[in-house]
Amino acid sequence: DVKVTQSSRYLVKRTGEKVFLECVQDMDHENMFWYRQDPGLGLRLIYFSYDVKMKEKGDIPEGYSVSREKKERFSLILESASTNQTSMYLCASSLGTRQETQYFGPGTRLLVL
Amino acid sequence: AQSVTQPDIHITVSEGASLELRCNYSYGATPYLFWYVQSPGQGLQLLLKYFSGDTLVQGIKGFEAEFKRSQSSFNLRKPSVHWSDAAEYFCAVGDPYSSASKIIFGSGTRLSIRP
Repeated sequence: DVKVTQSSRYLVKRTGEKVFLECVQDMDHENMFWYRQDPGLGLRLIYFSYDVKMKEKGDIPEGYSVSREKKERFSLILESASTNQTSMYLCASSLGTRQETQYFGPGTRLLVL
Repeated sequence: AQSVTQPDIHITVSEGASLELRCNYSYGATPYLFWYVQSPGQGLQLLLKYFSGDTLVQGIKGFEAEFKRSQSSFNLRKPSVHWSDAAEYFCAVGDPYSSASKIIFGSGTRLSIRP
């Protein structure tokens, strides 16, 4: 089974802090994704990566950056956390460049105070 | 650009009753279509997907969905729900002609089960 793990289930940070969310997949998938999930808005794509050191902006990249130094790891960075970034963050991975099934991690619920 | 609409925010059905969750998409051709389920406190799990071929798709946990091109719909059905089906359900659409692997998610339908 594909396993996607996220470093924290719950996180509380202060406004202005730099926040790192880590995601690791164990199935040698090419693609990795970061979404945020908010009530009534579903999942919105922040960034995705189709190869090591490659990244593309999703629909809501403002205030976020990402890093993919190794194939199995994809990090989401909030350079200066703000209260409107309080949300559930979901990481996913998929095998290749076509519309493959995405496999999701359990999510990180981030609260920015 | 493709989009997907789930018109029902919250649905409550009795245990043992049948279920249909609605999903409508907007796309110029036949898209890739997915249904995912998110149980409380969990990530999303794929229930089923449609890429081409038979328009009635069987998934896990007794779910099925039917692609209807004329109605731009991909509704999810289950003949008899169980209390464990209480969860949030997301319909999603992908572009078969895109080199990227992005998919667009609907806003979700929360399913509650009445004992």
